[in-house]
Amino acid sequence: AQSVTQLDSHVSVSEGTPVLLRCNYSSSYSPSLFWYVQHPNKGLQLLLKYTSAATLVKGINGFEAEFKKSETSFHLTKPSAHMSDAAEYFCVVSGSNTGNQFYFGTGTSLTVIP
Amino acid sequence: DTGVSQNPRHKITKRGQNVTFRCDPISEHNRLYWYRQTLGQGPEFLTYFQNEAQLEKSRLLSDRFSAERPKGSFSTLEIQRTEQGDSAMYLCASSPERGRETQYFGPGTRLLVL
Repeated sequence: AQSVTQLDSHVSVSEGTPVLLRCNYSSSYSPSLFWYVQHPNKGLQLLLKYTSAATLVKGINGFEAEFKKSETSFHLTKPSAHMSDAAEYFCVVSGSNTGNQFYFGTGTSLTVIP
Repeated sequence: DTGVSQNPRHKITKRGQNVTFRCDPISEHNRLYWYRQTLGQGPEFLTYFQNEAQLEKSRLLSDRFSAERPKGSFSTLEIQRTEQGDSAMYLCASSPERGRETQYFGPGTRLLVL
């Protein structure tokens, strides 16, 4: 079975400080993992994805994530938060046995304080 | 590439009425997915198509929900005899057929059942 757990429902950071959004996954198969961002009244946008290549994945807007199999984690980080980063972030797992069905976490709401 | 489009963007209906939503995927994408997102939750998988074949529909929420993709291009999601609990955002996504590909999401249709 596939699932993800986003460990924080809300994260608040000051502008210019690092961002850490935590995600743990469970998968019976070698997983593909994704981070998507959802701005208010906007569609889901892909930030980055891991598909069994390099364990450190770089995405758009300065975000990156590291796949750690031993910890079953795929945490999202950014060195310096920008006001435009305020949004809802979803960690997603997919497995090849499910026709690429996506399993979403419950989301982490990121607030950036000026 | 115009992206995934969904219509209507908003729908208000009375309990007991039928509603139909349309999704137009990215033109070269063979796979099409429907998800439902309720307030404060991550999207929940409903069903998916590969070309015109509906390969997974066991996750449709009840027999009041049905989906079609008759010519392997656009898809419709119908909810019959709507209930207040059906109020949610309905998301469509598409992806190429190859492996564990990124899914590209539309802006969604927000349904409110009064």
